Order: sequence, then C-alpha cells, then structure tokens
Amino acid sequence: EVQLLESGGGLVQPGGSLRLSCAASGFTFSNYAMSWVRQAPGKGLEWVSGISASGGRTYHADSVKGRFTISRDSSMNTLFLQMDTLRADDTAVYYCAKDRIVSTRLSTAIDNWGQGTLVTVSS
Amino acid sequence: DIQLTQSPSSLSASVGDRVTITCQASQDISNYLNWYQHKPGKAPKLLIYDASNLETGVPSRFSGSGSGTDFTFIINNLQPEDIATYYCQQYDNLPVTFGQGTRLKIK
Repeated sequence: EVQLLESGGGLVQPGGSLRLSCAASGFTFSNYAMSWVRQAPGKGLEWVSGISASGGRTYHADSVKGRFTISRDSSMNTLFLQMDTLRADDTAVYYCAKDRIVSTRLSTAIDNWGQGTLVTVSS
Repeated sequence: DIQLTQSPSSLSASVGDRVTITCQASQDISNYLNWYQHKPGKAPKLLIYDASNLETGVPSRFSGSGSGTDFTFIINNLQPEDIATYYCQQYDNLPVTFGQGTRLKIK
C-alpha cells in the first residue's frame, strides 16, 4: 500500500522559512515523479512544484519560483519542499503527490496523495 | 500557462440524477486531462485520467470524455457520497494547472 506522510508544517512569520518532508513507502520511490500541491483556505488546488524521478529536473509555479525548492532523496525515500521568504498568501494545506505512471514528464496524473500538512504564515 | 475553465462553479442535484461538468482549456491539450474528487479534510482522489480512463477502483457511474480544448465529466445515478468538489487538471504543458473547481451539493 502506497503511503505518503508529510511533516514540517506549522506557523511561521512572514519572511520566514520552513522545510516540508514527505516520507514515501509502498512503491519504488525512485521510479516516479513527485509533486507538491497546495490548497489555500477557501481556494482551489494549485500545483506548486514537480520533480522528475531521477531528481534531475524540477519545475516551480511562478507564484513560488525563486522562493521554494523541491528536492528528493531516494536513499531515504523522501520528498522535500524548502520554502523561504514565506508570505501570507503561502498559507495553505500542502499535499505531497505521487505520479500515476513511470514517465519522463514531471507530472501526469496524481494517483496518491498525502493527507496534507498545514502551513500558516502570519505574524 | 494553460487556463482551465470549469462550468458550473457549483450545482445542486438530487440522488439518482445525472450530473455534467465541463472543462475548457485555453489551448489544445490533446487528452492530457484528469478529473479529481476532493472532500473537505481529505486528500483529493483521482477519478479519470487521460480524459476518459476510469482509475482502478472508481465506480463506473463516473465517466469522462473529450479532447483538444473541450472536456466533459459525468456522474450517472448520483449518490450521497458524491458530495465533493471536482477539479479538472491538465498536464500537457508546465506548469500543471487545475480548473477552479465545481462544488457539488445534494438537493
């Protein structure tokens, strides 16, 4: 059974940093592209960042480019999201997400999601 | 970025009804479109991938169709547990984008 367990969320002041982690199990982590998707309060889903299976390619949405960095450690089966220079509009539930298929794309369909970790940016 | 416009933004329907949601892309995305169900406090769930393929384990009352810029998602025989927000998502071009969501309520 695929499991994705996020951690690292919490309350942080504007301008601060957080590092989210997602521990993956139940599948061959190094074979699949992974993503972070967020949902701000009362808003819809927003794809934030994606990383290829090898970790060699990444992409970040314009809203977080230059502030967030996605990475992965296949020896630990863990996905990360380093979030710097946080703003109030980064407040959201952040989901770790696994691609449905082995592909060269950074993201296709997401067939497994974590339960989400809440990040609140507020003074 | 590719914009996805879902219609309607919300709807109310009765148990047993047929529900139709549309998703229009701002440019041709072939069949690189997926549909998700999202319930409050839960993780989103993949229902349909590549426009028309039913994800394993998803009831057959859910279906999808379309290609290019126009896509349709249908729920036949609506059940109470189908109350949720539904999103389309494209992956033809980065960044991956989602529609704004359709909130489904039961009458």
